[in-house]
Amino acid sequence: DTEVTQTPKHLVMGMTNKKSLKCEQHMGHRAMYWYKQKAKKPPELMFVYSYEKLSINESVPSRFSPECPNSSLLNLHLHALQPEDSALYLCASSRGYGEDTEAFFGQGTRLTVV
Amino acid sequence: SQQGEEDPQALSIQEGENATMNCSYKTSINNLQWYRQNSGRGLVHLILIRSNEREKHSGRLRVTLDTSKKSSSLLITASRAADTASYFCATDRKAAGNKLTFGGGTRVLVKP
Repeated sequence: DTEVTQTPKHLVMGMTNKKSLKCEQHMGHRAMYWYKQKAKKPPELMFVYSYEKLSINESVPSRFSPECPNSSLLNLHLHALQPEDSALYLCASSRGYGEDTEAFFGQGTRLTVV
Repeated sequence: SQQGEEDPQALSIQEGENATMNCSYKTSINNLQWYRQNSGRGLVHLILIRSNEREKHSGRLRVTLDTSKKSSSLLITASRAADTASYFCATDRKAAGNKLTFGGGTRVLVKP
């Protein structure tokens, strides 16, 4: 199984809502990532988890809250988002953070904040 | 900030032609990777080339790396309509804590 599965595929939420994005992988990867991608732009790193611990937070606003309950799961909790947060949110995993290997990406969650 | 800058930003070719895109970067790297993205969905890893390698092949893909010029190129030979996608280079730099940083991407359109 070489898949990273993200749910939901699409999400529309109001600015006062709380929602969560979910990501799952069963490749035994020990590094997991959240990226944000705006239209016609490259993905931008948000968070890195290594061995279930948060390693990198790229100065992401606190209205985005990541969580790694176990080595296979990664969540992104959303609260009080702004319309400019609308984007494609991509989860990725790799064998290990800092190792010389490729990242596997999920299909993304397309988020619209209204 | 983006480590890699790609050119061209967009490329339109006929099926069967070759497509070449370039990536330049600013600082030393561990490796450089190329990814493909179809219609704003997930990225698919194509090829990884390490800093001590100069050329790699995978099927119809050929990647070169020139660390002295801090540049890489991706060649897709005998292109197909299914190759229509955005292609991103991404650099892995130890100095940046091994973060994978993506370039701006090249949008490739292969016309049948």
